Amino acid sequence: EAGVAQSPRYKIIEKRQSVAFWCNPISGHATLYWYQQILGQGPKLLIQFQNNGVVDDSQLPKDRFSAERLKGVDSTLKIQPAKLEDSAVYLCASSRQGNEQFFGPGTRLTVL
Amino acid sequence: AQSVTQPDIHITVSEGASLELRCNYSYGATPYLFWYVQSPGQGLQLLLKYFSGDTLVQGIKGFEAEFKRSQSSFNLRKPSVHWSDAAEYFCAVGGNAGGTSYGKLTFGQGTILTVHP
Repeated sequence: EAGVAQSPRYKIIEKRQSVAFWCNPISGHATLYWYQQILGQGPKLLIQFQNNGVVDDSQLPKDRFSAERLKGVDSTLKIQPAKLEDSAVYLCASSRQGNEQFFGPGTRLTVL
Repeated sequence: AQSVTQPDIHITVSEGASLELRCNYSYGATPYLFWYVQSPGQGLQLLLKYFSGDTLVQGIKGFEAEFKRSQSSFNLRKPSVHWSDAAEYFCAVGGNAGGTSYGKLTFGQGTILTVHP
């Protein structure tokens, strides 16, 4: 069974630029999560999808972050415009049901 | 609100020594508890989980954890550490089925494990 795929693995941008990350969950997993992991901290949930609907986006900075999962499979997370404090690893995870989540390798974003 | 505290930011042990990583949680009912490991540049890999039943849980790579409700703890242990265990370890709490936080994980800030030869 293939794991959670993410791309790109690394991205370096200037502040005020925009960036997008892509995630393909494990086949058959209805729930998809995006996390932000700042250096030295644990992952923090940004948004949770159930199929193509948003379950929880309470911690997503909606003035600059957006995410979609149009067909209930893969998902895109966008930041526009980026700030220095957005430098972090962005992790995507998926689950078939409940709490057991499987994580992708992450995208390391550096904002200069 | 659920929360997790990992009191030790960094632990150093010698190869072959025993290991215990501490985790304390806050949750209103019986939680679902997890330990994940993250190697540099990698995503998180699940080591073990506790949902219910036996409070001593066995995981992969020789790790185990014990759920102690009275202490709100879920400490991770390994009797003999290998150099390849060097990584960052995260404890997480999730809401149980039927609760409003079901499916949502809250992570601790992690414990970095260094293994000396």
